[in-house]
Amino acid sequence: DIQMTQSPSSLSASVGDRVTITCRASENIANYLNWYQQQPGKVPKPLIYGTSILLSGVPSRFSGSGSGTEFTLTISSLQPEDFATYYCQESYRSRLFGQGTKVEVK
Amino acid sequence: QVQLVQSGPEVKKPGASLRVSCKTSGYIFTKFALHWVRQAPGQGLEWMGWINPGNGNTRYSQKLHDRVSISSDTSASTVSLELSGLRSEDTAIYFCARDSFGPTGPYNWFDPWGQGTLITVSA
Repeated sequence: DIQMTQSPSSLSASVGDRVTITCRASENIANYLNWYQQQPGKVPKPLIYGTSILLSGVPSRFSGSGSGTEFTLTISSLQPEDFATYYCQESYRSRLFGQGTKVEVK
Repeated sequence: QVQLVQSGPEVKKPGASLRVSCKTSGYIFTKFALHWVRQAPGQGLEWMGWINPGNGNTRYSQKLHDRVSISSDTSASTVSLELSGLRSEDTAIYFCARDSFGPTGPYNWFDPWGQGTLITVSA
């Protein structure tokens, strides 16, 4: 299986901050990379697919970039509703997830 | 609208097997792959495997491949997950999720998800 590694595992930030989360794949997955947001007790919500394509209804402060083995999720100006856990997922071979990054209030 | 409705919570003994079902509606069942994902308490998401209801093909994670089985019933638009040899580490919420794809590129993501089924493994 492909290994997906996210960093950091958690971060503390304030409203208005720019937040960046990194996801690395153990092999080349081209642009087959998705991002999800999960609030406590809720089902994960898809945000981005194909590395950088925002799903309908996702605010434009979210963006994704990268290719091959290294990818980034950026939140340009953190909002109160963005405090959550974020997961990357490869869709190149199966659908394996990274271990998650928890964005907490500073 | 597309809906995935899962069976209810269960408590299982160590060594037993679990079976969780996921009934789908609102789309053509055979056109989209269905996946199973689990989340242990306070932990991350773990992909377990998938099935293509159109042809019955399956693929499982390397970690679970010797204990997991996914099946589909086209007449009932339902997918089922079976996990054998349960241990305490299998205590988790189990989700089914459908592959989705869009107009831009050959990419897939999970949407929608079932509501989740809590399985507790305890003596």
